Amino acid sequence: QLQLQESGPGLVKPSETLSLTCTVSGGSISSRNYYWGWIRQPPEKGLEWIATTYYSGTSYYNPSLRSRVTISVDTSKNQFSLKLSSVTAADMAVYYCARHPIVETSPTSFYGMDVWGQGTTVAV
Amino acid sequence: QAVLTQPSSLSASPGASASLTCTLRSGINVGTYRIYWYQQKPGSPPQYILRYKSDSDKQQGSGVPSRFSGSKDASANAGILLISGLQSEDEADYYCMIWHSGAWVFGGGTKLTVL
Repeated sequence: QLQLQESGPGLVKPSETLSLTCTVSGGSISSRNYYWGWIRQPPEKGLEWIATTYYSGTSYYNPSLRSRVTISVDTSKNQFSLKLSSVTAADMAVYYCARHPIVETSPTSFYGMDVWGQGTTVAV
Repeated sequence: QAVLTQPSSLSASPGASASLTCTLRSGINVGTYRIYWYQQKPGSPPQYILRYKSDSDKQQGSGVPSRFSGSKDASANAGILLISGLQSEDEADYYCMIWHSGAWVFGGGTKLTVL
């Protein structure tokens, strides 16, 4: 059974770069059948999509965060990562990683998230 | 105006049905979108419930009971999550989501209370 586990520092200083990693177990991040994404949720607020990537490196970003975000894949470690620069208090949130299945009839497209990690809390 | 609007709260009785709506902004036609629904309980990550575009383009999440179903109300330009036979364990926050203009967009969520 596929499992996703987020990891990273629980506390980041303002103006610094937040770095998070999602480790995939029970499946391969190199699978052609899935994309991989990050979503966050500020305290007592709703969900916000951050970015999504494919094992090949093709990536999609939330336009509102695009200038500060980098998502990447490390197939050798079966992990994908998120970097968010110039953090402020507004970036305090629980950060989730998740899986997106591809659209079978259009492999360059992907469905919404179907498996989520437990989340990691980031304070600024 | 937000892309997706959900009522902030909804209450229903055990055994009854609850209809959660996700209204798309004027000018965005619900008929062209897959609507995704997620359930989130306190302290837990969101859980995928289902996606619905049409009766021929839909998917139930793994292990999700059939009493959760999706539909659309074209006249209201809204996606609907219907939960029948409400149980106390259905009490949670529910979020809808679509892929719009190159980004995943979530609704603000509905807090469902079963009492």
